[in-house]
Amino acid sequence: SAVISQKPSRDICQRGTSLTIQCQVDSQVTMMFWYRQQPGQSLTLIATANQGSEATYESGFVIDKFPISRPNLTFSTLTVSNMSPEDSSIYLCSAPRQGASEAFFGQGTRLTVV
Amino acid sequence: KQEVTQIPAALSVPEGENLVLNCSFTDSAIYNLQWFRQDPGKGLTSLLLIQSSQREQTSGRLNASLDKSSGRSTLYIAASQPGDSATYLCAVRRASGTYKYIFGTGTRLKVLA
Repeated sequence: SAVISQKPSRDICQRGTSLTIQCQVDSQVTMMFWYRQQPGQSLTLIATANQGSEATYESGFVIDKFPISRPNLTFSTLTVSNMSPEDSSIYLCSAPRQGASEAFFGQGTRLTVV
Repeated sequence: KQEVTQIPAALSVPEGENLVLNCSFTDSAIYNLQWFRQDPGKGLTSLLLIQSSQREQTSGRLNASLDKSSGRSTLYIAASQPGDSATYLCAVRRASGTYKYIFGTGTRLKVLA
């Protein structure tokens, strides 16, 4: 299975600030995905991070709020900007191993905005 | 638009019981279906992956079945243990060429010692 590491694992942030979450994969992957899981809810896809091009955002998510970087084939960051308490969620990155069907996930970043 | 629903939303059973978790999806044109386990406040652990051409997959005490035409999958857990307590999520992957997954609402399982 792929090893996906996320940092930080949790954080408590003040409203109005920004947090950048890092995701590192142990092998090169074409696509990486960022999901949000709000309290008591299931996972919702935020965007697809493609190396060498802009991220593709799902309906309801915009680049100004969730800027994404993908500098190489093993790394991506998601920034949650100008945070409000409604942004309190678990954020997860996901990546499929090249040529595999299975999706693997990082351990998640638990964000609390106060 | 694909929608994935899981029933029941929560389940509490005594240790040793066999149990079935249900997942239904509205669009049968899926590439595969994956079952995950999520412990409180944690990420997702992949349990079983069923390709659209397969009927079932087994791993240890877990068995997952897929009936694509009726839009249903079940996760069977045999001889449940307190360590099985977690939230179980199913997710369907849309057509080949994309790795986007649509997740179900989850079943929160508690196995009592």
